[in-house]
Amino acid sequence: EIVMTQSPATLSVSPGERATLSCRASQSVDSNLAWYQQKPGQAPRLLIYSASTRATGIPARFSGSGSGTEFTLTISSLQSEDFAVYYCQQHTVWPPGYTFGQGTKLEIK
Amino acid sequence: QVTLKESGPALVKPTQTLTLTCTVSGLSLSGTRVSWIRQSPGKALEWLARIDWDDYKFYSASLKTRLTISKDTPKNQVVLTMTNMDPVDTGTYYCAQIGCSGGSCFFDDWGQGALVTVSS
Repeated sequence: EIVMTQSPATLSVSPGERATLSCRASQSVDSNLAWYQQKPGQAPRLLIYSASTRATGIPARFSGSGSGTEFTLTISSLQSEDFAVYYCQQHTVWPPGYTFGQGTKLEIK
Repeated sequence: QVTLKESGPALVKPTQTLTLTCTVSGLSLSGTRVSWIRQSPGKALEWLARIDWDDYKFYSASLKTRLTISKDTPKNQVVLTMTNMDPVDTGTYYCAQIGCSGGSCFFDDWGQGALVTVSS
């Protein structure tokens, strides 16, 4: 099973600043990588798929990059509503399988 | 607009079987894939199972002996059963529609989640 490791576990950033979240795969996942945002008491929301494509309705301040084993989610100018937990997720094509990272909590500095 | 809604018991006893239902609106199960994902309190997300439009089924390797996923296409419902429940299975269970782009698949739309507590 492919293991996804996110860093840091907690990131403290001030509103208006840039946040950079990392996700590493234990083996190559090509570009089969998605990012989700989860707020307390809510289901996760898809932000990015195929490593760098924004999902429908996601603001342009969210961007994803990377391929293979190293991936990054960047939020260019943090808004108050962006403070949440972020998860990365990989997709294994065959046999189908999905694993998530343990999450990065983005908190207000 | 696609919506998914989970339903099932909030409390099950250890060793019992859990049955959860996901009711999908806004698209037909005859043209999509649906998965179940769970989240233990304060923990990360764990993929459990997937069912495709052609009734192909896939399971988490670590839980496959306990899981069964099925669908009722006319009712637009996906059902997950998990046997031999244990307190460590306590958590929120989500169903989600899978979207794919090229060879990359992801969880596009999610239900609100169903909180399941396992306790005697």
